[in-house]
Amino acid sequence: AQKVTQAQTEISVVEKEDVTLDCVYETRDTTYYLFWYKQPPSGELVFLIRRNSFDEQNEISGRYSWNFQKSTSSFNFTITASQVVDSAVYFCALSEANTGNQFYFGTGTSLTVIP
Amino acid sequence: GAGVSQSPSNKVTEKGKDVELRCDPISGHTALYWYRQSLGQGLEFLIYFQGNSAPDKSGLPSDRFSAERTGGSVSTLTIQRTQQEDSAVYLCASSLVSGLSAAFFGQGTRLTVV
Repeated sequence: AQKVTQAQTEISVVEKEDVTLDCVYETRDTTYYLFWYKQPPSGELVFLIRRNSFDEQNEISGRYSWNFQKSTSSFNFTITASQVVDSAVYFCALSEANTGNQFYFGTGTSLTVIP
Repeated sequence: GAGVSQSPSNKVTEKGKDVELRCDPISGHTALYWYRQSLGQGLEFLIYFQGNSAPDKSGLPSDRFSAERTGGSVSTLTIQRTQQEDSAVYLCASSLVSGLSAAFFGQGTRLTVV
């Protein structure tokens, strides 16, 4: 079973629009960690954020914000006032404290920001 | 070094040849991961090293794949008798503490088997 689901395969928005990337996860562990990574066309995965399962506070970093809701097992990522440089593939990932041996990645959402 | 370093950046090899891919993790990171990303696909877990513990090889797709990590630092992923389906980008990552802290990725090695 897929532990991390990113249902949106591709999204296109016009510059300055807001966009939300969805991430739904599945785990039986009570202690786990969620991550978002950005993969621009250059290919290198860039770490964006890490959140543990005990911290449900939403986080904002500049134009980026993350909404963690344990009740719906979701960890959604919103980009406000999108820019062309935001065009990339975004991956959501999960690691579980009981194993910790790997990061389970979603299949990614390809975001294109049109100027 | 400041980040995870992988070499070579690109590798073209003939079907049936062996290849070695190298990963130099961030200094002080005890956990090291290898992932594979095929064109337009997500990340496929291959193998995980944590300190001196036995590696988790559960993701290796066949016995043609092997990896080692010497001295708890540099890792080498070896693919024997390469096949065309092995063509992919091989990504290495390291983290301070396995799975609990963020993994930082190298730029990857693009392997093309012709």
